[in-house]
Amino acid sequence: AQSVTQPDIHITVSEGASLELRCNYSYGATPYLFWYVQSPGQGLQLLLKYFSGDTLVQGIKGFEAEFKRSQSSFNLRKPSVHWSDAAEYFCAVVISGANNLFFGTGTRLTVIP
Amino acid sequence: EAGVAQSPRYKIIEKRQSVAFWCNPISGHATLYWYQQILGQGPKLLIQFQNNGVVDDSQLPKDRFSAERLKGVDSTLKIQPAKLEDSAVYLCASSLGQSQPQHFGDGTRLSIL
Repeated sequence: AQSVTQPDIHITVSEGASLELRCNYSYGATPYLFWYVQSPGQGLQLLLKYFSGDTLVQGIKGFEAEFKRSQSSFNLRKPSVHWSDAAEYFCAVVISGANNLFFGTGTRLTVIP
Repeated sequence: EAGVAQSPRYKIIEKRQSVAFWCNPISGHATLYWYQQILGQGPKLLIQFQNNGVVDDSQLPKDRFSAERLKGVDSTLKIQPAKLEDSAVYLCASSLGQSQPQHFGDGTRLSIL
C-alpha cells in the first residue's frame, strides 16, 4: 500500500541546534516530494519541493531536504533552529501523473531556549 | 499575490445540523482542493476540482458531504447532516495545475457538539 511515514511524532531541540526531520515513502514510481509547515491555527505553507534533478533541495527559512532514492527518504534539515520554527511539519508525496497529495501524520517541533 | 481565502475561520454546530464552508482560490489557479484534517493527523483529500469539473471525489462521504465550484473560481463545501466525527479543520488549497505545488488557506475549524 502507498504510504508516507514520519516516524517522529514530536521532536524537541534547543535553539541554535541542528534539526533533521525524517520522511519515508513507499511507492513504486518516482514521486514528487514536498515539505509543508503548519503553525497553530494556520494553513500549510510550502517549505520546499523535489520534482527531479539535484537531490539536495533548498527551501525557504533556511531549510533543505535531500532525496535518497535508495532509502526512499526525503529528510528535512536545518543547521540552526530558531524559536520561530516551532510548528508542525508535514511531508507529502504526489505520484507523477496523479493528482493527490498524500500527507504523513506530521512531526511537531518544539524549540527550547 | 493574495492567498487562498476561506471563511468562516471557526464554526460550532450541533450534530445533525448543516454547515457550509467557502473558499476563494488564488487568481488563475485552475485546480482547487478540499482537505479534512482531524486533530493529530495529516490532511486528507476530500475532493479535487479542475476548473469547474470534479477530478477526484473518491474520499468524499457523499451521503453527507457535497461540494461545488460552479464558475470555476470559488467553491463551497457542505455537510448535511453533521456527525460528531466531522469535527476537524477543513482546508482549501489551490494550484496552477495538477501535481503542481498547492497553496493552502488558513482553514475552517469545525466543532460538532
